[in-house]
Amino acid sequence: EVKLVESGGGLVQPGGSLRLSCPVSGFIVSSYYMSWVRQAPGKGLEWVSIIYSGGSTFYADSVKGRFTISRDDSKNTLYLQMDSLRVEDTAFYYCARVPVAPPSHFDYWGQGTLVTVSS
Amino acid sequence: SYKLTQPSSVSVSPGQTATITCSGDTWGDKFASWYQQKPGQSPVLVIYQDKKRPSGIPERFSGSYSGNTATLTISGTQAMDEADYYCQAWDSSTPWAFGTGTKVTVL
Repeated sequence: EVKLVESGGGLVQPGGSLRLSCPVSGFIVSSYYMSWVRQAPGKGLEWVSIIYSGGSTFYADSVKGRFTISRDDSKNTLYLQMDSLRVEDTAFYYCARVPVAPPSHFDYWGQGTLVTVSS
Repeated sequence: SYKLTQPSSVSVSPGQTATITCSGDTWGDKFASWYQQKPGQSPVLVIYQDKKRPSGIPERFSGSYSGNTATLTISGTQAMDEADYYCQAWDSSTPWAFGTGTKVTVL
């Protein structure tokens, strides 16, 4: 059974940092593309970042230079390091699996973790 | 970023057909996917690569594409289909883009 479980969310002040984790089971994280998608409360979905199976990383313009996606193959876990957080980064953050060929969609999602940026 | 436009809401009677559109400029060879999200839950993939259905998704969900518009059709809509639906587009030159979302109400 495929499972993704996010953790690490919480309340942080503007300018602060948080690190989200997403350990997965039922598949090998390095064999797939893995992504983060966020959703502000009551709003729509927004793609944030992706890491390819080969290690290449890509970011939405809204987070480029502030967020870093990574993975630990030995722990089968995906991460999102979020620095210089802004109020507008407040959202539920979901990790999601992306098939490699083609990487056109997100086939499995975690339950999400809430990040609140507020003073 | 690539913009996808959906109707904000669609109402349908039980047993009838709900149609949700997703429009974008210069669609080209992009693939369309659709996600169902119920309140307090994560999104669930219901259609990918325009018209493919993941295992476990009922046959009443179908997808199509024409011109610059992708369409999700729910045939014989049931009360359990009441949810928000999001389209999403991708091609090798465009980052993953989501639509604005459509709230489907089963009256």
